[in-house]
Amino acid sequence: GIQVEQSPPDLILQEGANSTLRCNFSDSVNNLQWFHQNPWGQLINLFYIPSGTKQNGRLSATTVATERYSLLYISSSQTTDSGVYFCAVAYPEGGSEKLVFGKGTKLTVNP
Amino acid sequence: NAGVTQTPKFRILKIGQSMTLQCTQDMNHNYMYWYRQDPGMGLKLIYYSVGAGITDKGEVPNGYNVSRSTTEDFPLRLELAAPSQTSVYFCASILPGEAFFGQGTRLTVV
Repeated sequence: GIQVEQSPPDLILQEGANSTLRCNFSDSVNNLQWFHQNPWGQLINLFYIPSGTKQNGRLSATTVATERYSLLYISSSQTTDSGVYFCAVAYPEGGSEKLVFGKGTKLTVNP
Repeated sequence: NAGVTQTPKFRILKIGQSMTLQCTQDMNHNYMYWYRQDPGMGLKLIYYSVGAGITDKGEVPNGYNVSRSTTEDFPLRLELAAPSQTSVYFCASILPGEAFFGQGTRLTVV
């Protein structure tokens, strides 16, 4: 199956700093999504981004499908950005579509 | 519009017991997924379904069974609980561009 690798595994920032999270995948995918899991365990959609660049407030994401990676940018980080960021890729298998997650990047933003 | 509803939220099972984790969605999505998340780890795909009557194995299907008799419901069955199945379980209903997760079920097998 497809391999999804995220880096770094852990990241500690001071409030106001910027960061870049990376997701590499080993094969062609139908789509790619970024999720945030907050400290209470809730999973929240951030971006659906099979290719190109999208922005939503302080967050933006870029996927370069031909080179099999995606980047999530967080600018002017806030303590509420803390949690785990997951990249998930969807790929076809046997007539259906699997959605597979990376292991995540744990972000801690200190005040 | 309730989204994805998972029950129960917490459960303690003894080794060898069985149980069913319920998952219901009211968005008429065809694609539904079950994941488990071990402490400090990512989500691993257990089973998924692309529509009523169709299910497929994910990355870690052993010890679990699923059924999809309706579009709305996608229950996950543990037949003989083992300590290795202690985890948090998430059900998801997904369309391209949208993903809705349940609140999770924290299961402990003792």
